[in-house]
Amino acid sequence: DTAVSQTPKYLVTQMGNDKSIKCEQNLGHDTMYWYKQDSKKFLKIMFSYNNKELIINETVPNRFSPKSPDKAHLNLHINSLELGDSAVYFCASSQGAERNTQYFGPGTRLTVL
Amino acid sequence: RKEVEQDPGPFNVPEGATVAFNCTYSNSASQSFFWYRQDCRKEPKLLMSVYSSGNEDGRFTAQLNRASQYISLLIRDSKLSDSATYLCVVNIGGTYKYIFGTGTRLKVLA
Repeated sequence: DTAVSQTPKYLVTQMGNDKSIKCEQNLGHDTMYWYKQDSKKFLKIMFSYNNKELIINETVPNRFSPKSPDKAHLNLHINSLELGDSAVYFCASSQGAERNTQYFGPGTRLTVL
Repeated sequence: RKEVEQDPGPFNVPEGATVAFNCTYSNSASQSFFWYRQDCRKEPKLLMSVYSSGNEDGRFTAQLNRASQYISLLIRDSKLSDSATYLCVVNIGGTYKYIFGTGTRLKVLA
């Protein structure tokens, strides 16, 4: 019944590794997002996809590569993880944008050692 | 200057108190405004959208002042369960870009 789900919930890994986070929404929305929330709790948009097309890429290092195989899924792959990548990553979805509500997944807490 | 600014708090208030938060935004192209609530170690959830005429949902009232570029949230009769971080969110018109403030932390004390 979960509207927006993410896996894994926790991810602990060493510097230099490559990891992926998966996101799925069952709300029938056409737009999905990745946000990063750092240790100061600041939530910043990273990417947005609308109907599988990348529409927002907010000066994120190219070690981060999102992929949307279909409207219901948006995955995030991170290469060569760095200490500064440690954060909580939230996936969200909405139907269109502007006045429409975003629904967030539970977050993936990434710790890079 | 941050695009969306909020007082980080914490605001410590007794149960039953009325508390107000403000949020200022810098981009005049901002078209849609929201308040989200985030509990500790949880995801943000929509509290309410903010309409030009102002709107109320139970104990919560949101106001928008486009001329001064700020929005406000008023919580009446605070409950312990209102303790959370309140995030101000702005959508830039014609885009899919939502900008979040850093949040205002509220603690309601028994």
